[in-house]
Amino acid sequence: GAVVSQHPSWVICKSGTSVKIECRSLDFQATTMFWYRQFPKQSLMLMATSNEGSKATYEQGVEKDKFLINHASLTLSTLTVTSAHPEDSSFYICSATDYANTDTQYFGPGTRLTVL
Amino acid sequence: GENVEQHPSTLSVQEGDSAVIKCTYSDSASNYFPWYKQELGKGPQLIIDIRSNVGEKKDQRIAVTLNKTAKHFSLHITETQPEDSAVYFCAASLGTGFQKLVFGTGTRLLVSP
Repeated sequence: GAVVSQHPSWVICKSGTSVKIECRSLDFQATTMFWYRQFPKQSLMLMATSNEGSKATYEQGVEKDKFLINHASLTLSTLTVTSAHPEDSSFYICSATDYANTDTQYFGPGTRLTVL
Repeated sequence: GENVEQHPSTLSVQEGDSAVIKCTYSDSASNYFPWYKQELGKGPQLIIDIRSNVGEKKDQRIAVTLNKTAKHFSLHITETQPEDSAVYFCAASLGTGFQKLVFGTGTRLLVSP
């Protein structure tokens, strides 16, 4: 149980284009979903927290107009990197918590974004 | 805000040995402390967690201890196996809300056969 999927697992795009990453909770309803970014050999940095049907809360220093988050249902959240640039290249990971256990975060497999 | 320090950054052990990873946190209000294992190119996987009302928790070869007074918590892996090789992250909840986590810097564990 508590499986989180992400799609795509990797993506390569040209500078200036937008990329959408999906995060799905497969066997539970996610009260909250989190989006993290991880650079090589570094820790996870929280980008934003989203609850179904409400606007995401962004961490300090994260541009909300660049990283658009939509949490339209209890099983799906999307992260759109708009006008991507090479410095946005990173490993993006989502996590989710469920109603039954609101403190435990279950992570997706991650999406590697490479911007050329 | 919460700050989580993790040591060591790398740890090499022989198969069968024990491994210990230590973390300290700064926010006395933190009350949830999970540990995650991350293999190369994959997302973190929860391996064990502990809440502030418990001092120790064990799950087969893995154990976690918590010292709230000293704001320390540690991961203990006994009888290590090569498949335990990965990066391990500790985390602490931000304040009492449980939900937001602050992660440590990670420990790269290498278990040699």
